[in-house]
Order: sequence, then structure tokens, then C-alpha cells
Amino acid sequence: DIQMTQSPSALSASIGDRVTITCRAGQNIDNYLAWYQQKPGGAPKLLIYKASSLESGVPSRFSGSGSGTEFTLTISSLHPDDFATYYCQQYNSYSFTFGPGTKVDIK
Amino acid sequence: QVQLQQWGAGLLKPSETLSLTCAVYGGSFSDYYWSWIRQPPGKGLEWIGEITHRGRTRYNPSLKSRVTISVDTSKNQFSLKLNSVTAADTAVYYCARGQILWFGELSSPGAFDTWGQGTMVTASS
Repeated sequence: DIQMTQSPSALSASIGDRVTITCRAGQNIDNYLAWYQQKPGGAPKLLIYKASSLESGVPSRFSGSGSGTEFTLTISSLHPDDFATYYCQQYNSYSFTFGPGTKVDIK
Repeated sequence: QVQLQQWGAGLLKPSETLSLTCAVYGGSFSDYYWSWIRQPPGKGLEWIGEITHRGRTRYNPSLKSRVTISVDTSKNQFSLKLNSVTAADTAVYYCARGQILWFGELSSPGAFDTWGQGTMVTASS
């Protein structure tokens, strides 16, 4: 299995801050990477697929970049609705694996 | 607007079989991959396995010996069975729709763009 890591594991930020989360893959996954947002008690929600493609209906303040083994999720200006846990996931090869998550909370 | 609705028993005794079903409402059933994913309390996400409408399956090797995923295309449903559960299988179980990626005539699963509401399954004596 391809190991996925994320940094930081948690961060505190204020409304309006720019937030960047990093995801690293244990081997080259090309651009077969997705980002999800999960709120307490809810199912994950797809934000970004193919590393940088914005899912329909997701606000444009979310963006993704990277390829190969290093990827980033950026929130350009943090909104109150963005406090959640974010997961990356590779779908380059079986079995699909997720990062451990990054919790974004209010400073 | 596609919706995934899942159901199944939430409380099991160790050694029993977990059984969940996910129904797909709206959208195509044949143009996607269908997966099960679980999340232990306070922990991260683990992919369990997937099935296509033709019944082709792939499983996480760590669970393969105990997992069966099946499909009923007449009802647009797919199901998960996990045998011999232990406390370690206690988790929220999600069904999810995987996008399809085409490489010529071959397809491969993509990101999970639609999820069920989740079912908390507890294995305890």
C-alpha cells in the first residue's frame, strides 16, 4: 500500500487567514490525489480531485496543487464554515489510502 | 442529484457477521465504481473494497479474507459483508461512489464524489 502523510496534523487559524496543508505520498502517484473535508458527525465531502480540479459546487477559495509525491491544499481566505478535518487520498493504485487528516480549528 | 442511502445492523457480538446495504438513487449505476470505507471512532479513513455494476470486486488486502461485496443491479444496490467481527471492526461504515477514469477502453476508479450518511457499527459482547 502507498503510505500517505499529512502536515501539520492540526492547526489553529483565524477567519480570513490563508491556510496550506501538505500531503506526501510514499511513492509517485502522478496526479491521482483527492482532498476531502469532514465535519464532526458527517461524511467526507470531495473538494479536489486529480490534485487540482475543483469539484462542482466547491467554493473557489479552495485550490490544490502538486504531482508525483508532494501535494498541497490551500484555502485562500478561511471562512467560518471551513473549520473541519481535511484528508488527502491517493487513487493511483490499490488499495486506496488516505492521509491521517489535518484538523483546522479556530484560533 | 444522486443520493446514497445505507442501512444495516448497528450492534454485533464478536464473531458475528456485519451486513450493510447501500441503495443508489438518481444517476447512473453502471458508470461508476462503488466502494465501502470505514472510520473507527476518532480515527482516519480506511478503504474496504469496491465493486462495479458487472460485479468485479477489489478488496483491501488487510480485510480480504473476511470481506464480500456484492451488487444487485435490479435494485441499484450494493452490499458489504464482513465476517468474524471483533472490537477492532467498530467504526462508522460509509458507502461511496467512485468517479470513473477512462484510459482508452480501460477504466480505473477515481475520487469518491458522493457518500452515504454512514452507519455506526459496534462489535461488543
